[in-house]
Amino acid sequence: DSGVTQTPKHLITATGQRVTLRCSPRSGDLSVYWYQQSLDQGLQFLIQYYNGEERAKGNILERFSAQQFPDLHSELNLSSLELGDSALYFCASSDGVRGNEQFFGPGTRLTVL
Amino acid sequence: AQSVTQLDSQVPVFEEAPVELRCNYSSSVSVYLFWYVQYPNQGLQLLLKYLSGSTLVESINGFEAEFNKSQTSFHLRKPSVHISDTAEYFCAVSEGQTGANNLFFGTGTRLTVIP
Repeated sequence: DSGVTQTPKHLITATGQRVTLRCSPRSGDLSVYWYQQSLDQGLQFLIQYYNGEERAKGNILERFSAQQFPDLHSELNLSSLELGDSALYFCASSDGVRGNEQFFGPGTRLTVL
Repeated sequence: AQSVTQLDSQVPVFEEAPVELRCNYSSSVSVYLFWYVQYPNQGLQLLLKYLSGSTLVESINGFEAEFNKSQTSFHLRKPSVHISDTAEYFCAVSEGQTGANNLFFGTGTRLTVIP
């Protein structure tokens, strides 16, 4: 158990809908990262937050947004969903120090029908 | 920009045989290097990492990896694999001293240990 929790574990929805994925980091970790794992794109970095502020942005679509709240949990919002958004979405947390381990949650499997 | 290449998408190997999973990276800046393992239906777990110093790094379960700057490689090796090593292995890099510390992953290598 990494100490990172993600809810829900599975999500099935229809095209055009909007969903919210939630992540609670390990106790004490200030940094949260979101990654998308799909068969065609592999594991891709989406976005990072550090202590409530956006720190880095990767290949995140404009239809996607995220935030980190004062209690350090984070939410990833996906809107106008398309079939191609079906993937496993991982959240990871770390203390934010360069080179230190990122601890991954179990992921949320999103299926868009 | 960083990129990571794992040439072997699948590696079958017999139990107790040695294995090498290859990883090459491309970067114009200094990098930190990582190997993560993903067991079925689980998240990723850190196996080992190279930040600086000795180019040979080891994990607690017998894996080792060697940083080779001239060949921009960070291959993962184990002298004798077990059934429990069956998993997907991801090589990853992050920028070293500057920039963001998010991870750039390779496409993964599925290691299957055959009894």
